[in-house]
Amino acid sequence: DAKTTQPPSMDCAEGRAANLPCNHSTISGNEYVYWYRQIHSQGPQYIIHGLKNNETNEMASLIITEDRKSSTLILPHATLRDTAVYYCIVKAPNAGGTSYGKLTFGQGTILTVHP
Amino acid sequence: ETGVTQSPTHLIKTRGQQVTLRCSSQSGHNTVSWYQQALGQGPQFIFQYYREEENGRGNFPPRFSGLQFPNYSSELNVNALELDDSALYLCASSRMTGPETEAFFGQGTRLTVV
Repeated sequence: DAKTTQPPSMDCAEGRAANLPCNHSTISGNEYVYWYRQIHSQGPQYIIHGLKNNETNEMASLIITEDRKSSTLILPHATLRDTAVYYCIVKAPNAGGTSYGKLTFGQGTILTVHP
Repeated sequence: ETGVTQSPTHLIKTRGQQVTLRCSSQSGHNTVSWYQQALGQGPQFIFQYYREEENGRGNFPPRFSGLQFPNYSSELNVNALELDDSALYLCASSRMTGPETEAFFGQGTRLTVV
């Protein structure tokens, strides 16, 4: 699985957009970009994933560059409850791939949302 | 709230003992993965079970073993516990067939080895 690089920490004001960057310059053509977050030793929570196109759901938006070497997770209106460790993960496909669907977690980005 | 449940939530064991942790997967999922998360670190992949067989393993010794049952639930067994086995153990369920879908995690079991 390709390795990802994230800033160790970021701050954001409540109500503002939080933009979390991730570099994955060695990503392969069939690998997905996944984002999870973890709040204070709870189980990781799925946020969003994408392959090539930008994706949006009720939690966030995922912007993937055209060359797929980097991506940005956007939380449009951050709240205090969004304070967490955010993990960017590059993963082989679950089905039909050459690898099983394991998630390789790095250190993540600690996002702190301030009042 | 995910449909993945783990038991027990907390556990204290003595070095050298054996422990069994349990996980029930989300409805519609056929794959269970286990992760170990030491304090201050990201989760580390232990192994994955699909169709009741281990089909992938991380860098963990054989004293870490598992089972998957016909209903897709799973157990993680750790023999000869060491102090360094103290960690949060996470279970994730997913689907290995069909369109790409996300894995959902349980809330974990906090294991303390003394």
